[in-house]
Amino acid sequence: GAVVSQHPSRVICKSGTSVKIECRSLDFQATTMFWYRQFPKQSLMLMATSNEGSKATYEQGVEKDKFLINHASLTLSTLTVTSAHPEDSSFYICSASKGRGYGYTFGSGTRLTVV
Amino acid sequence: TQLLEQSPQFLSIQEGENLTVYCNSSSVFSSLQWYRQEPGEGPVLLVTVVTGGEVKKLKRLTFQFGDARKDSSLHITAAQPGDTGLYLCASPQGGAQKLVFGQGTRLTINP
Repeated sequence: GAVVSQHPSRVICKSGTSVKIECRSLDFQATTMFWYRQFPKQSLMLMATSNEGSKATYEQGVEKDKFLINHASLTLSTLTVTSAHPEDSSFYICSASKGRGYGYTFGSGTRLTVV
Repeated sequence: TQLLEQSPQFLSIQEGENLTVYCNSSSVFSSLQWYRQEPGEGPVLLVTVVTGGEVKKLKRLTFQFGDARKDSSLHITAAQPGDTGLYLCASPQGGAQKLVFGQGTRLTINP
């Protein structure tokens, strides 16, 4: 079955620093990857959609200069939280899809804590 | 963006009871998916419904898609503590088929 690996699973960083989260599709090529953010006891909120080799499309209200997304290959997308602040602390989840009709495979998430 | 309204948002019941969770929209769904998420993990797909009136069963879970494809329900029979979790409905939207989630139902089954 399709497997998506997300790293790190947990990260603690100091306020003002940047953190990179990786999302890899291990056994398939993902034409599209999605990044979500989930606050405690809430649902998943879509942040952005990325396609290999092109700029990410961000949802309304998501700062693209703060949340940098790079989809450099068909198996890897990265989310970099720049100049992190305590309010950026959240659970970040990626999802990958081979394309329309192929479904979505989710990573296991990254718990980011900014201190 | 098509909004998905899920209800109830929280549900706590005793082991052995039955329950139903609902997912509604004012617009037609192209298709609808149900997920279950455990704390600290990504959501796991339970089922995809596509055809109006469709009913799918997964052990004690029964999923229905409304005839007009604007609503769906998840029914759990004889709930068990292992059913505890966050249940999410989601629908692919737009040309990019981005998956948009409902608010979720946090289910707790008490022994």
